[in-house]
Amino acid sequence: DVKVTQSSRYLVKRTGEKVFLECVQDMDHENMFWYRQDPGLGLRLIYFSYDVKMKEKGDIPEGYSVSREKKERFSLILESASTNQTSMYLCASSFYRGSGTEAFFGQGTRLTVV
Amino acid sequence: AQTVTQSQPEMSVQEAETVTLSCTYDTSESNYYLFWYKQPPSRQMILVIRQEAYKQQNATENRFSVNFQKAAKSFSLKISDSQLGDTAMYFCAFILSGNTPLVFGKGTRLSVIA
Repeated sequence: DVKVTQSSRYLVKRTGEKVFLECVQDMDHENMFWYRQDPGLGLRLIYFSYDVKMKEKGDIPEGYSVSREKKERFSLILESASTNQTSMYLCASSFYRGSGTEAFFGQGTRLTVV
Repeated sequence: AQTVTQSQPEMSVQEAETVTLSCTYDTSESNYYLFWYKQPPSRQMILVIRQEAYKQQNATENRFSVNFQKAAKSFSLKISDSQLGDTAMYFCAFILSGNTPLVFGKGTRLSVIA
């Protein structure tokens, strides 16, 4: 089975702290994504990466950065956490082959910024 | 840009009954994939069913089936013989061919009532 593992299920951080959310996948997928999930807003794309050291901004990149130094790991960084970044964060990985595509998700990290 | 719309924020259904969740999308592309994901209270996103746009036949997975109307850009999910374990958030999602991110709707919260 494909596994996408996020380093924490719950995280509480203080305003202004630098926060790292880690995501690791074990299926050699090229693509990795970070989404933010808020009630009534669905999943919104923060950043994605097609390959090592490559990154693309999604719909809501402000206040976030990412790092992909190795194919299996994709980190989301909150440079200076703010209370409006309190949310659920979901990591996903996907492949694309001629036969199709599918995305797999981690279990989510619920981040609270106080 | 591609968009996905789920017009039913919440729905409920009696156990053993059938329920249909609606989804419409907008794209000018011809090759794409559509998905329904389930997110139970455990927060783990689970793929329910997938449809390739080039296939005219509607996808079916056990009690779950879709009604894919490409011309109308509609992709509804039918759940037959609803079970208490079907209680979850359901997200409709769209992805173009190739290495592109999933675009999600805002979700429908389904409650199955005993």
